[in-house]
Amino acid sequence: GENVEQHPSTLSVQEGDSAVIKCTYSDSASNYFPWYKQELGKRPQLIIDIRSNVGEKKDQRIAVTLNKTAKHFSLHITETQPEDSAVYFCAASKGGSYIPTFGRGTSLIVHP
Amino acid sequence: GAVVSQHPSWVICKSGTSVKIECRSLDFQATTMFWYRQFPKQSLMLMATSNEGSKATYEQGVEKDKFLINHASLTLSTLTVTSAHPEDSSFYICSARDLQGEHTQYFGPGTRLTVL
Repeated sequence: GENVEQHPSTLSVQEGDSAVIKCTYSDSASNYFPWYKQELGKRPQLIIDIRSNVGEKKDQRIAVTLNKTAKHFSLHITETQPEDSAVYFCAASKGGSYIPTFGRGTSLIVHP
Repeated sequence: GAVVSQHPSWVICKSGTSVKIECRSLDFQATTMFWYRQFPKQSLMLMATSNEGSKATYEQGVEKDKFLINHASLTLSTLTVTSAHPEDSSFYICSARDLQGEHTQYFGPGTRLTVL
């Protein structure tokens, strides 16, 4: 089955800095890669996603890049703000089952 | 749009009792609902995939007789934790996949279960 590795497990940055979270996946058939933000005790919220036919996608301060050959994808947050502090999860899934495999999560802490 | 509700949001019960958690898609039809378990500071662990009108598919290591799942309609799935024990205490989250949305999943707010 699919295996998703996520790094780092914890990321601490100063407000205004950029943050990068990286994930790798093992199943070359995976073709959908969402990123979720989860605040403490809350539900995961989809913040951005990318499909395998696209190499990069951007939404304001958030961007995701995908390297299919290397089987890794990354989340980039620019101009971080304290409200960006949360746990971020990457995931990978493929058509047919659409069952996602989640990474272990990255706790992002943005210091004011 | 694409709202998923879960009820109850939290529950405390005595060891040996059964607890039912409901997951509803409020404004869309969900062919598939997923049930996850999340321990503190850990990732989402998929327990089972629930398809409307058919038996749930359980992940390896998840006891189907302990975690009963029913997906009676396109908007409702239930998870019943039978004979709950303290080790079953966790955060249970459901998600629903839109008929049209292929991969897109919408998560419920979660249910905090504490078994005394």
